[in-house]
Amino acid sequence: DAKTTQPTSMDCAEGRAANLPCNHSTISGNEYVYWYRQIHSQGPQYIIHGLKNNETNEMASLIITEDRKSSTLILPHATLRDTAVYYCIVGQYNFNKFYFGSGTKLNVKP
Amino acid sequence: DADVTQTPRNRITKTGKRIMLECSQTKGHDRMYWYRQDPGLGLRLIYYSFDVKDINKGEISDGYSVSRQAQAKFSLSLESAIPNQTALYFCATSDSDRPGELFFGEGSRLTVL
Repeated sequence: DAKTTQPTSMDCAEGRAANLPCNHSTISGNEYVYWYRQIHSQGPQYIIHGLKNNETNEMASLIITEDRKSSTLILPHATLRDTAVYYCIVGQYNFNKFYFGSGTKLNVKP
Repeated sequence: DADVTQTPRNRITKTGKRIMLECSQTKGHDRMYWYRQDPGLGLRLIYYSFDVKDINKGEISDGYSVSRQAQAKFSLSLESAIPNQTALYFCATSDSDRPGELFFGEGSRLTVL
């Protein structure tokens, strides 16, 4: 499975958009990009996934570049409750092993 | 009640003891997983099961064993616990129709003295 690279931490002001980048330059054609987040020591929570096209759901938007080598997770109006570690994961749709890296710690500040 | 329930939530044990962590789910999912998380690190896959008769090793299976007693139950055992198995353990489930959307339990914190 392709590896991902994410910044260690980011800050965002409450109410502003949080844009979390992820580099996955070795992604293969049949691999999807998944995003999860983990609030404190709770179990991780699925956010969104995509293959080629941009995706949006009630939680976030996922923007994947045309060459698919990077993506950005967008939280349109960050709240304090969005403070968490965000994991970008690349894997095949019928995935058998998800590898969670260290993720990005997003700090949403008042 | 939680869709994915782990028991116990916290356990302190001694080196050499046998420990079992249990996971049950009410989501009706066919796939179940066990992950381990060490402080400040991401999750690492221990074992996964795609159905009752299918069990596979993950990234770090040494020192662990699992049992899929039913579609809804997946147990993780440490036959002889050692201190470096002190960690937060998560069970997760997913449906084969949406395999990458994992639902996690609340975690079991294990301390081996």
